[in-house]
Amino acid sequence: DVKVTQSSRYLVKRTGEKVFLECVQDMDHENMFWYRQDPGLGLRLIYFSYDVKMKEKGDIPEGYSVSREKKERFSLILESASTNQTSMYLCASSVEGRGAFFGQGTRLTVV
Amino acid sequence: DAKTTQPNSMESNEEEPVHLPCNHSTISGTDYIHWYRQLPSQGPEYVIHGLTSNVNNRMASLAIAEDRKSSTLILHRATLRDAAVYYCILRSTGNQFYFGTGTSLTVIP
Repeated sequence: DVKVTQSSRYLVKRTGEKVFLECVQDMDHENMFWYRQDPGLGLRLIYFSYDVKMKEKGDIPEGYSVSREKKERFSLILESASTNQTSMYLCASSVEGRGAFFGQGTRLTVV
Repeated sequence: DAKTTQPNSMESNEEEPVHLPCNHSTISGTDYIHWYRQLPSQGPEYVIHGLTSNVNNRMASLAIAEDRKSSTLILHRATLRDAAVYYCILRSTGNQFYFGTGTSLTVIP
């Protein structure tokens, strides 16, 4: 089975902290994605990557950056966490022409 | 990007078929139609996808209109475990998945 693993299920951070959310997939997928999910807004794409060291902005990239140094790992970085970044963060991976596989999500609370 | 429109919520009785509609009137010729579902406290799960022809798998069937401006996800016999939010998504060759707010399916015992 394809596995997409996010490093934490729950995370609490303070305003202004630098936050790293890690995602690892074990199926050699080229494409990886980061979404955030908020009540009433569905899933919104933050960034995606279609290859190592490649990244593209999604709908809501402001306040976030990403890193993909290895094919299996895609990191989401909050340079200076703010309370409006409290959300559920979901990572996914896929190959061209196939469905995406999601991790279990990280519920981040910024206090 | 092409958008999809789904009803906010639907109800179904257990063990009856469920037809979940999706409109995508601005679909382009290269857009695939994907369906995902999200159970409470879990990440979305792939259900099925198609381009032009109807598709079947162990989870569901996907019926695509001839003009491709709409599609229907069919659960043949709803169970309580099918209660979830169902998302209809168009995926272009740009490999991006854009989710809407989906349809919340309630299954009544």
